[in-house]
Amino acid sequence: NAGVMQNPRHLVRRRGQEARLRCSPMKGHSHVYWYRQLPEEGLKFMVYLQKENIIDESGMPKERFSAEFPKEGPSILRIQQVVRGDSAAYFCASSPGLVRGSYGYTFGSGTRLTVV
Amino acid sequence: GESVGLHLPTLSVQEGDNSIINCAYSNSASDYFIWYKQESGKGPQFIIDIRSNMDKRQGQRVTVLLNKTVKHLSLQIAATQPGDSAVYFCAENEGGATNKLIFGTGTLLAVQP
Repeated sequence: NAGVMQNPRHLVRRRGQEARLRCSPMKGHSHVYWYRQLPEEGLKFMVYLQKENIIDESGMPKERFSAEFPKEGPSILRIQQVVRGDSAAYFCASSPGLVRGSYGYTFGSGTRLTVV
Repeated sequence: GESVGLHLPTLSVQEGDNSIINCAYSNSASDYFIWYKQESGKGPQFIIDIRSNMDKRQGQRVTVLLNKTVKHLSLQIAATQPGDSAVYFCAENEGGATNKLIFGTGTLLAVQP
């Protein structure tokens, strides 16, 4: 089991470009969560998706950010017209359901987005 | 808003000593708490969890204590090793339909050999 796979690991974008971050959940996991981490801060919840459905996007900025988790393929976090303030580490986690405990959430290694 | 309050303090300990990392939370509705370890360039790694109906839980070399009266969590690491050096986060979960976690800012644990 390869765990939660995120790519790319590092992404550099110029201001105004688009950033696409991908997350492949663990095998058998149908729930995906995206979090953002600024330097020296904790992770902040952005969005929770199940296959083809957004369940909770209360932490997602209203503009420029979108997320999807299609029936086939990875979950995508898309940031349009990036600004320097979008520079952060973006982590994806997956779970097999609303399961707590060590077998619930599993985090990926993150994508570090740098906007220049 | 809800918050788990840490402002990235640093805890420096000698190898072999015990470490205690503290965390305050603010949401009374939270009923599940987790400690994570994050090494540089990696994602958070689960260490130990505790439900609100408990006040103590032990794992291998780690113990989590929960004081609901003062909304306080602590993580105790016994016989700290250089490999324990990392940033430690507490996170709270209030359950419900989303299972989202609310993280604190973290504590940097530096183990001196």
